[in-house]
Amino acid sequence: DVKVTQSSRYLVKRTGEKVFLECVQDMDHENMFWYRQDPGLGLRLIYFSYDVKMKEKGDIPEGYSVSREKKERFSLILESASTNQTSMYLCASSPTGWVWPQHFGDGTRLSIL
Amino acid sequence: GQQVMQIPQYQHVQEGEDFTTYCNSSTTLSNIQWYKQRPGGHPVFLIQLVKSGEVKKQKRLTFQFGEAKKNSSLHITATQTTDVGTYFCAGHNNAGNMLTFGGGTRLMVKP
Repeated sequence: DVKVTQSSRYLVKRTGEKVFLECVQDMDHENMFWYRQDPGLGLRLIYFSYDVKMKEKGDIPEGYSVSREKKERFSLILESASTNQTSMYLCASSPTGWVWPQHFGDGTRLSIL
Repeated sequence: GQQVMQIPQYQHVQEGEDFTTYCNSSTTLSNIQWYKQRPGGHPVFLIQLVKSGEVKKQKRLTFQFGEAKKNSSLHITATQTTDVGTYFCAGHNNAGNMLTFGGGTRLMVKP
């Protein structure tokens, strides 16, 4: 069974801090994704990666960056956290190609004070 | 850019009643996927539809993909308390590189 593990379930940070969210998958999937989930807005794609060191902007990349140095790990970075980045962050992975479903981690609920 | 709208946003039903959520895309989709997220959980893949007019069933759940491949629906017959959660549709456009999610329908079932 696919396992997508996010490093923290809950995280509280202060405005202006640099924040790292980590995600690891154990199924050798090529694609990895970062979403944020807000009530009524569904899941909005921040960034995705289809290979090591490759990244593509999603719908809402502003204020975020990502890193994929190893195939199994995809990191989301908030360069200077702001209160409007308080949200639930979900990582997902899938094999190459659009026909495959995405497998999600449990999410990180991030609060920026 | 591509938009996927989902209605209703919330639905309360009495256990045993039927439930339907509707999904509409601003552009033609290559496919539609449906996910369920239980309270406190993460989205879990339910099914994928690819062909125009396709209908698939999973026990009490019926999924439809419209003829124009721009809309979809999920119908649950005789809801149970285990059906509680938020149901999301999501689709790829013809470029196929990004999955766009609808806003979700939160289903609450009264026993």
